[in-house]
Amino acid sequence: DSGVTQTPKHLITATGQRVTLRCSPRSGDLSVYWYQQSLDQGLQFLIQYYNGEERAKGNILERFSAQQFPDLHSELNLSSLELGDSALYFCASSVALAGADTQYFGPGTRLTVL
Amino acid sequence: GEDVEQSLFLSVREGDSSVINCTYTDSSSTYLYWYKQEPGAGLQLLTYIFSNMDMKQDQRLTVLLNKKDKHLSLRIADTQTGDSAIYFCAEGDTGGFKTIFGAGTRLFVKA
Repeated sequence: DSGVTQTPKHLITATGQRVTLRCSPRSGDLSVYWYQQSLDQGLQFLIQYYNGEERAKGNILERFSAQQFPDLHSELNLSSLELGDSALYFCASSVALAGADTQYFGPGTRLTVL
Repeated sequence: GEDVEQSLFLSVREGDSSVINCTYTDSSSTYLYWYKQEPGAGLQLLTYIFSNMDMKQDQRLTVLLNKKDKHLSLRIADTQTGDSAIYFCAEGDTGGFKTIFGAGTRLFVKA
């Protein structure tokens, strides 16, 4: 158990809908990362937040957005869903101090868009 | 841009050594990581190496870094069926400004 929790575990929805994925980082971790893992694209970094502020952006679509709240939990919002958005979405957290930034991954949310 | 590349599949027999290779492009990377993902689970950090090191050993795991060629490898000695998983190589800077993952190598261990 990494200490990172994600809800829900599974989500099935229809095209055009909007969903919110939630992540609680490990206690003490200030940084939260979101990744998308699909069969054809592998693991793709989406976005990183540090202590409430966006720190780095990867291959995140404009239909997707995220935020980190004062209690450090984070939400990833996916809107106007398409079939191709079906994937495993991972959240990871780290302390993000100088040194090796070890990321601890949550169990993931499996999103199926029908 | 920055990129991390790995071969997609590796198959070995139980008891043999496995070597998973990775190449990266960002010479400013400070840390290089190996993560393991078991079926249905998130990624778990296995080990990491600082960029000024050539080798790191941790029980059955040996990490070799050739900084000149930007080549990283993970050797698993006496590979067991429980080692079957996807192994991700990643490069990162100090403090987590940027970490880039490879697509992962799926290791199959045959009994």
